[in-house]
Amino acid sequence: GENVEQHPSTLSVQEGDSAVIKCTYSDSASNYFPWYKQELGKRPQLIIDIRSNVGEKKDQRIAVTLNKTAKHFSLHITETQPEDSAVYFCAPSGGSGGGADGLTFGKGTHLIIQP
Amino acid sequence: DTEVTQTPKHLVMGMTNKKSLKCEQHMGHRAMYWYKQKAKKPPELMFVYSYEKLSINESVPSRFSPECPNSSLLNLHLHALQPEDSALYLCASSLTGRSNEKLFFGSGTQLSVL
Repeated sequence: GENVEQHPSTLSVQEGDSAVIKCTYSDSASNYFPWYKQELGKRPQLIIDIRSNVGEKKDQRIAVTLNKTAKHFSLHITETQPEDSAVYFCAPSGGSGGGADGLTFGKGTHLIIQP
Repeated sequence: DTEVTQTPKHLVMGMTNKKSLKCEQHMGHRAMYWYKQKAKKPPELMFVYSYEKLSINESVPSRFSPECPNSSLLNLHLHALQPEDSALYLCASSLTGRSNEKLFFGSGTQLSVL
């Protein structure tokens, strides 16, 4: 199965600064790399995803970059705002596990935006 | 309708009770999932139904019993639970159950076992 590591576990940044969260995976056959955001007391929601034929994807202040050789992908948030405060989970999949075979989430990164 | 609806939102039960959690979606998705989430932890997969057939049972204790009456409905029957089973139970759905699909989560049922 997939072995997923996510760093850091907690990240505190000043409002307006950038935040970067990294996810490392073990299954070289993985081909789908999503990031989920879970606000306190709310459901996890997909915020951005990337597939293995693309190196970078951007959606307004959020971007994801993928390095398949090194087996890691990162979430980038620019111009952070208070509503970005949440726990972020990566969930690489599409290899020997994932989807109907089971989706493995990273342990999560608690992002705190300081006013 | 792009929502996954779960009921109840909160549930308190004793160790001898029998209760059921319910989940519903009307997006035409053919895969539905139960996840368990403890505080400050990631969601952990419990069960997957794909085209109404149980395709994964992650060695979950038999006191949890899933049921998928049709492709829009998913139940989780609870019996003789333990206090350590207290957690947020999340239902999710995806289009077919392939591993590269977006998961849509419900708001969850916060379960407390006394």
